[in-house]
Amino acid sequence: NAGVTQTPKFQVLKTGQSMTLQCAQDMNHNSMYWYRQDPGMGLRLIYYSASEGTTDKGEVPNGYNVSRLNKREFSLRLESAAPSQTSVYFCASSVAGVGTGELFFGEGSRLTVL
Amino acid sequence: GNSVTQMEGPVTLSEEAFLTINCTYTATGYPSLFWYVQYPGEGLQLLLKATKADDKGSNKGFEATYRKETTSFHLEKGSVQVSDSAVYFCALSDLDYQLIWGAGTKLIIKP
Repeated sequence: NAGVTQTPKFQVLKTGQSMTLQCAQDMNHNSMYWYRQDPGMGLRLIYYSASEGTTDKGEVPNGYNVSRLNKREFSLRLESAAPSQTSVYFCASSVAGVGTGELFFGEGSRLTVL
Repeated sequence: GNSVTQMEGPVTLSEEAFLTINCTYTATGYPSLFWYVQYPGEGLQLLLKATKADDKGSNKGFEATYRKETTSFHLEKGSVQVSDSAVYFCALSDLDYQLIWGAGTKLIIKP
């Protein structure tokens, strides 16, 4: 049971470099999300995709872009990485919205920007 | 705006002790409330939820009751085990696609 799969699990970048975090889910979920987790701050939503073909900004979208490639895949791109983007990134999916449903999370991607 | 406040950790208990992790919230309307758990090196997973006032969510021996009068959703377990060591997050549903998260409480259970 793969669930939500994220790659890479670890990445070190230099300031100004770009990278893409990949996420795929095999549960036929409509909605997908990207969060970042920082110590003492809980999770903050970066972007989400309510359904295939749509994306919307969350709480902290600056410096990021996303692509909902198809129903399964939702990628997060950092065009010019900054040290403030050092964080653990989680991809999640849900059948529909989060009002009463369950979010399923990947194992996380730890990104360090030097 | 809506917010969630959790007790700061870490919380350290001995095995078989009683656990309470406090969670209070500020919200307009009638949000759903959740507890998620994150075991070391893993993603978060839903532990329990409650969708309306006075609902009690329960799972794996954990319970939490949606108290509208005190705006609280405290997590309790009668007898903790070493395997319960993890970080616990309280959250509420804000908009259709957004959850508001607490900062998390790290729980350490000593044998």
